Amino acid sequence: GQNIDQPTEMTATEGAIVQINCTYQTSGFNGLFWYQQHAGEAPTFLSYNVLDGLEEKGRFSSFLSRSKGYSYLLLKELQMKDSASYLCAVDDYKLSFGAGTTVTVRA
Amino acid sequence: KAGVTQTPRYLIKTRGQQVTLSCSPISGHRSVSWYQQTPGQGLQFLFEYFSETQRNKGNFPGRFSGRQFSNSRSEMNVSTLELGDSALYLCASSSKTGGRAEAFFGQGTRLTVV
Repeated sequence: GQNIDQPTEMTATEGAIVQINCTYQTSGFNGLFWYQQHAGEAPTFLSYNVLDGLEEKGRFSSFLSRSKGYSYLLLKELQMKDSASYLCAVDDYKLSFGAGTTVTVRA
Repeated sequence: KAGVTQTPRYLIKTRGQQVTLSCSPISGHRSVSWYQQTPGQGLQFLFEYFSETQRNKGNFPGRFSGRQFSNSRSEMNVSTLELGDSALYLCASSSKTGGRAEAFFGQGTRLTVV
């Protein structure tokens, strides 16, 4: 079966850094995606990791360790518009999603 | 280019009825996947279609079915609706089957079963 865990909620202040962890145990692995979903909107793609290491994309970075079944999404210089749900999804010939982490950014 | 279009955006149905949801993928994308999103369960994979063939299926009862047409548009059908089927149904299109490429999501259809 699939098991993808991420924290339910995180709160941080504007300008700060937040790290969202994701651990997974899945029957297959072709890569790991991070999506952002604002309330009432569709999920939008943030990052994709298939090899171990860090991928940086502006204020967002994502890290993967396949041997540890672990990934994290790092959000830097937080802005109010970053308040959203962040979804970790493992690609095992389909996307299997974690329950999502709701990030609240406070002024 | 146009994004993924789902219709209708909102639906209210009665228990026991059936419903059909529609998804038009991004032009050129041949993979369409369907997901159910609820507050308690998060995003759950329903099935994927690629070139009119079902490639993968999640753990949902047979009341949930789908199909894909030659123009890659897809429909999802739920028969004998139950209260627990109330959810946001999202479809996603991709250029490749079986994951391995970014999925683009539509705005979803909010289904309420009363």
